[in-house]
Amino acid sequence: DAKTTQPPSMDCAEGRAANLPCNHSTISGNEYVYWYRQIHSQGPQYIIHGLKNNETNEMASLIITEDRKSSTLILPHATLRDTAVYYCIVRVAGSNFGNEKLTFGTGTRLTIIP
Amino acid sequence: DSGVTQTPKHLITATGQRVTLRCSPRSGDLSVYWYQQSLDQGLQFLIQYYNGEERAKGNILERFSAQQFPDLHSELNLSSLELGDSALYFCASSPRAGSPLHFGNGTRLTVT
Repeated sequence: DAKTTQPPSMDCAEGRAANLPCNHSTISGNEYVYWYRQIHSQGPQYIIHGLKNNETNEMASLIITEDRKSSTLILPHATLRDTAVYYCIVRVAGSNFGNEKLTFGTGTRLTIIP
Repeated sequence: DSGVTQTPKHLITATGQRVTLRCSPRSGDLSVYWYQQSLDQGLQFLIQYYNGEERAKGNILERFSAQQFPDLHSELNLSSLELGDSALYFCASSPRAGSPLHFGNGTRLTVT
């Protein structure tokens, strides 16, 4: 799996958009970008994933650059409950026997400031 | 609520003992994954099962074993416990290859 690079920490004011960057310059054509977050010591929570098109769901938007070497997760109106560690993960698409796991890095600790 | 249930939530035991952690995946999910999260190691993949068969193995110690039963629930067995085994153990499930994983809220194991 391609490796990802994220800033170790970020702050964002409550109510503003939180933009979390991720570099994945060695991503392959058949690899998706996944975002998860972990609030305190709870289980990681799936947020969104995409291959090359921008994606949006009820939680967030995912913007992937045209060359797919980087992406940005956008939380449009951050609340205090969005304070968490956010993980950007690259994962092979579809069935890849023995390699379907998610490999977590150290993530970005996002703090929402009141 | 992810739909993945892990029991117990907390477990305190002594060195040398054996424990069993249980995971009930989301309804219909065939794959179960186990992860360990300790303070200094982050989230580490241990093992994956798919429809009862072992599918992938990560950095799982020989003292640890797992299995997935016909009803798709899974158990992680940890034996000869050491202080360093104290960690959060998470289970995740997914319906098929390539689908997002959904995690339970973990079992916090404390070895004293």
